[in-house]
Amino acid sequence: DAGVIQSPRHEVTEMGQEVTLRCKPISGHDYLFWYRQTMMRGLELLIYFNNNVPIDDSGMPEDRFSAKMPNASFSTLKIQPSEPRDSAVYFCASRAGSAYGYTFGSGTRLTVV
Amino acid sequence: GQQLNQSPQSMFIQEGEDVSMNCTSSSIFNTWLWYKQDPGEGPVLLIALYKAGELTSNGRLTAQFGITRKDSFLNISASIPSDVGIYFCAGNIQGAQKLVFGQGTRLTINP
Repeated sequence: DAGVIQSPRHEVTEMGQEVTLRCKPISGHDYLFWYRQTMMRGLELLIYFNNNVPIDDSGMPEDRFSAKMPNASFSTLKIQPSEPRDSAVYFCASRAGSAYGYTFGSGTRLTVV
Repeated sequence: GQQLNQSPQSMFIQEGEDVSMNCTSSSIFNTWLWYKQDPGEGPVLLIALYKAGELTSNGRLTAQFGITRKDSFLNISASIPSDVGIYFCAGNIQGAQKLVFGQGTRLTINP
């Protein structure tokens, strides 16, 4: 099993640019979660999907953030326009419905300058 | 929302020492999980606890689900250099699908 795959691993972009982060969950996992990690706020849940449907997006900071899951094997998190305060490590995680433990990807380190 | 208080925030120990960290919640949790994060990687699940009072071991790691269902601890015995990293507790309340994470305990080991 390849695990949860995220791309890119690192992204440096200028303020105002659009950023798209990508995630491929583990095959057969029906839950997908997007987290953001910063020193100040730790791990914050942004949004999660069940069977490709967004269930809870209450953690999405503002309208500049959007997430989609067009199929069971792919999800994107988009920030448009990006701001320096969006700099963080963004993690995708997935799990099978019967389990509580998530499997995390290696993350995308986003730097907005 | 639910808050998890994890302590200590950081630990500096000598190789071979035992380590103990804990998490408390203001809410009753249905599940407690412990994760470890290595630099540049995502958190990896170490131990999962599902019942109040449950004590579970994974090698040199031992974790317990508190009787009140509002706390959990993780012990590491005879620490080794590869134990260095950030340890997170996490949990969820009954019926909730999302996990809440503690702030993490950063473990540093002096050889």
